[in-house]
Amino acid sequence: GENVEQHPSTLSVQEGDSAVIKCTYSDSASNYFPWYKQELGKRPQLIIDIRSNVGEKKDQRIAVTLNKTAKHFSLHITETQPEDSAVYFCAASSPTFFGNEKLTFGTGTRLTIIP
Amino acid sequence: DTGVSQNPRHKITKRGQNVTFRCDPISEHNRLYWYRQTLGQGPEFLTYFQNEAQLEKSRLLSDRFSAERPKGSFSTLEIQRTEQGDSAMYLCASSLVRPTDNSPLHFGNGTRLTVT
Repeated sequence: GENVEQHPSTLSVQEGDSAVIKCTYSDSASNYFPWYKQELGKRPQLIIDIRSNVGEKKDQRIAVTLNKTAKHFSLHITETQPEDSAVYFCAASSPTFFGNEKLTFGTGTRLTIIP
Repeated sequence: DTGVSQNPRHKITKRGQNVTFRCDPISEHNRLYWYRQTLGQGPEFLTYFQNEAQLEKSRLLSDRFSAERPKGSFSTLEIQRTEQGDSAMYLCASSLVRPTDNSPLHFGNGTRLTVT
C-alpha cells in the first residue's frame, strides 16, 4: 500500500517569512495529492490539492509543487501570518476503476508563526 | 451548515461496552469514509463506502468494528467490547466520485471516544 512520509514534524517561522513542508510517497501510481490544515479541536480542511498532470499549483499565498520522478511534493506558504499556525497534513491517493480511492496521510507538521 | 455531520461529538465509555457513532455526509456525495486519528498523528483509513457498498476495510478494523451505510446516505460505525486502545478521534468524510473527476474529501468534526 501507499506510504507517505512528512517532514518536518514541527516548524516555527517568523511572521512574514516563508514556510515549506515536504512529503514523499511510495506508490508511483498515486496521482492526487491534497494538503489539509487542522486547527486545534477542529476538522481537517482542504487548503490546496494537485494532480499528477501538473507540476505546480498556486492559490494566493499557498503553493504546492510535485516531482513525480522523485515522488515528492511540497507545500509552500509565503508571507506567513499568525492564523497560519496549525497542523498541516499531506496525503496521497491512487486511482482505481471506482475513481480515486482512500487517502493515505502523512504524520503532520505543526506550524507555529512567531509574531 | 450543509457539511458532514457527526454525532455524538464526545463519547466516554467504560471498557467492554459497545458504542455507535453516526455520520451524515454531504447530501449529494456518494462516497463515505471513516478515519481514525490519535494525538499527534494523521488520520488513518478504516473503511469506505460507495453508495451502500462497503468497498474496502483496513487491517486496522478488527472484528470488533463494523460499519454500515444501509441506504447509501448516513453511516454508522459500531465498536463492540471497547478497549482503551480504541480511544481516538473518529472522523467521517465524504466526496462525490464521478467517472470524469472526483471532488475532494470533506471531513466532519469527528467523534472523540474515550474508553476508561
